[in-house]
Amino acid sequence: DAKTTQPPSMDCAEGRAANLPCNHSTISGNEYVYWYRQIHSQGPQYIIHGLKNNETNEMASLIITEDRKSSTLILPHATLRDTAVYYCIVREDKIIFGKGTRLHILP
Amino acid sequence: NAGVMQNPRHLVRRRGQEARLRCSPMKGHSHVYWYRQLPEEGLKFMVYLQKENIIDESGMPKERFSAEFPKEGPSILRIQQVVRGDSAAYFCASSPQNFQETQYFGPGTRLLVL
Repeated sequence: DAKTTQPPSMDCAEGRAANLPCNHSTISGNEYVYWYRQIHSQGPQYIIHGLKNNETNEMASLIITEDRKSSTLILPHATLRDTAVYYCIVREDKIIFGKGTRLHILP
Repeated sequence: NAGVMQNPRHLVRRRGQEARLRCSPMKGHSHVYWYRQLPEEGLKFMVYLQKENIIDESGMPKERFSAEFPKEGPSILRIQQVVRGDSAAYFCASSPQNFQETQYFGPGTRLLVL
């Protein structure tokens, strides 16, 4: 079973920041937090990952709380093309996908 | 730098036929993973392979399904005597060196069993 809890769906206005939360209260010390997204019918796309520190790349930022029990993925300026299911995954090796958050970007 | 490639992208089979799905990992990647996504469900891990070795097949159905990753050529997921319940999207992912690294996914093969 997936070790993460995410809201089933969220809305965000185009051009605004999308903040996607994830709870992973049972995360262990060796496990990374990964985020993928799946745009309709396509293969999952890697977004970002982190262990303890906050991370940023060209796609998104990842904020991990100090106790590592939750995290937030931030898409700084959402566009319609960011409409997708976003998966928060806690993993050491095998990827176990949960149900993810279906993000709707509103024009 | 080409990503993970899968073919065919769509495959139609009649019940009882065989399905062969191919996956070419990203350049420089020697580890391949197969996942299955049933309609309206999440992705489920099936099998993890290195060249000529199956490392973890804990998610593979015990019968009719097999996977290989030969020394030369793509990884193959083979489904014998397909049934309607095998209709799904099959995704392949690859990583450079080991199970702990970031996996990059291909576009998937959509299998439809009539």
